[in-house]
Amino acid sequence: NAGVMQNPRHLVRRRGQEARLRCSPMKGHSHVYWYRQLPEEGLKFMVYLQKENIIDESGMPKERFSAEFPKEGPSILRIQQVVRGDSAAYFCASSPGTAKNIQYFGAGTRLSVL
Amino acid sequence: DQQVKQNSPSLSVQEGRISILNCDYTNSMFDYFLWYKKYPAEGPTFLISISSIKDKNEDGRFTVFLNKSAKHLSLHIVPSQPGDSAVYFCAASLSNAGNMLTFGGGTRLMVKP
Repeated sequence: NAGVMQNPRHLVRRRGQEARLRCSPMKGHSHVYWYRQLPEEGLKFMVYLQKENIIDESGMPKERFSAEFPKEGPSILRIQQVVRGDSAAYFCASSPGTAKNIQYFGAGTRLSVL
Repeated sequence: DQQVKQNSPSLSVQEGRISILNCDYTNSMFDYFLWYKKYPAEGPTFLISISSIKDKNEDGRFTVFLNKSAKHLSLHIVPSQPGDSAVYFCAASLSNAGNMLTFGGGTRLMVKP
């Protein structure tokens, strides 16, 4: 029973390029959350998705960031025209969506913008 | 505006003794609280949780206490082991608002042999 899978683990991009981060939730989980962790800080909520729907994107920057969770395939967090301030660890979590909301996290993608 | 705070960035404890990690929150609407443990270069691992209708939950060496009037929760680890050395995050959620987690800034626990 595989856990939450994120890839790539490390991603290096130059300023202005696009970054795509992928997340496959745990089997049976239909709720996906993305969080960002800046150095020496806690995790900050970005977006909450269910299959084919964005439920809450109140933590997403208004520009350049988008997320999707298609009917088939992993959830994708896309960052267009990356800037140095986007360098961070991006974590995906999934949950089965029951009232007891334990979220299970992937190992994260560490994005470095040169 | 930090709704969840962990005021101790680090804590050092001797092996075998009790570790107490503290967490304060400001939003009285939070109804579910969780503790996660994180090693470097890994994702957070769920440890233990507590609903706002309870004041204590225990799982093996880990116990979480919730004081709603003080908006305070704590994680007790006893006895502490060197393998417990990690960063611990408390998190809070609102079950009627999507359950997204609001995290504290973390406490680095070091358990010395």
